[in-house]
Amino acid sequence: AQTVTQSQPEMSVQEAETVTLSCTYDTSESDYYLFWYKQPPSRQMILVIRQEAYKQQNATENRFSVNFQKAAKSFSLKISDSQLGDAAMYFCAYRRENFGNEKLTFGTGTRLTIIP
Amino acid sequence: NAGVTQTPKFQVLKTGQSMTLQCAQDMNHEYMSWYRQDPGMGLRLIHYSVGAGITDQGEVPNGYNVSRSTTEDFPLRLLSAAPSQTSVYFCASSPLQGRKKLFFGSGTQLSVL
Repeated sequence: AQTVTQSQPEMSVQEAETVTLSCTYDTSESDYYLFWYKQPPSRQMILVIRQEAYKQQNATENRFSVNFQKAAKSFSLKISDSQLGDAAMYFCAYRRENFGNEKLTFGTGTRLTIIP
Repeated sequence: NAGVTQTPKFQVLKTGQSMTLQCAQDMNHEYMSWYRQDPGMGLRLIHYSVGAGITDQGEVPNGYNVSRSTTEDFPLRLLSAAPSQTSVYFCASSPLQGRKKLFFGSGTQLSVL
């Protein structure tokens, strides 16, 4: 079974600085997707960024980028120029490339605090 | 376009009571699913469906029942609530083709006393 591990339960960063959240996963599949979701206090699950395993290029979305290391099964999220609105729980998630089963396997989350 | 709508947002039950959490989507998504979120455990899949009349179990299905009579609706039934079912429940949907982004509802906070 696939597992996703987030080893940092909590992180904090100074406003405007850069922070990296770690995620590792275990799978025997070669085709899959990886995601980072943000959950602010409103409880809404917001997709931050997505990476297809077959793509070597790391995904970026504005201030958010990933470092995808397929051989090491590592998928870290870098947030640049941190803003107060970035404070949230961040979940790493994995999904197989499997038609008809969109199941996401989530990590346990990292709570990010932004220090003004 | 409302997206994924969950009702109620909050609910308190007594042990042994039954209830249904409602989920509706207006995006014509084939895939719908229910997750529960517990502190320190992330989100775990309860049940899912790939179309009307088709449902299957996820990782933690015990104590829950689902049905899918229409594309739009995917209710989650708690047959006899237990304190271990105290959690936040999320419904999510996605198309089965294309980029397959998973759209989440805003969640239901359920407390079982």
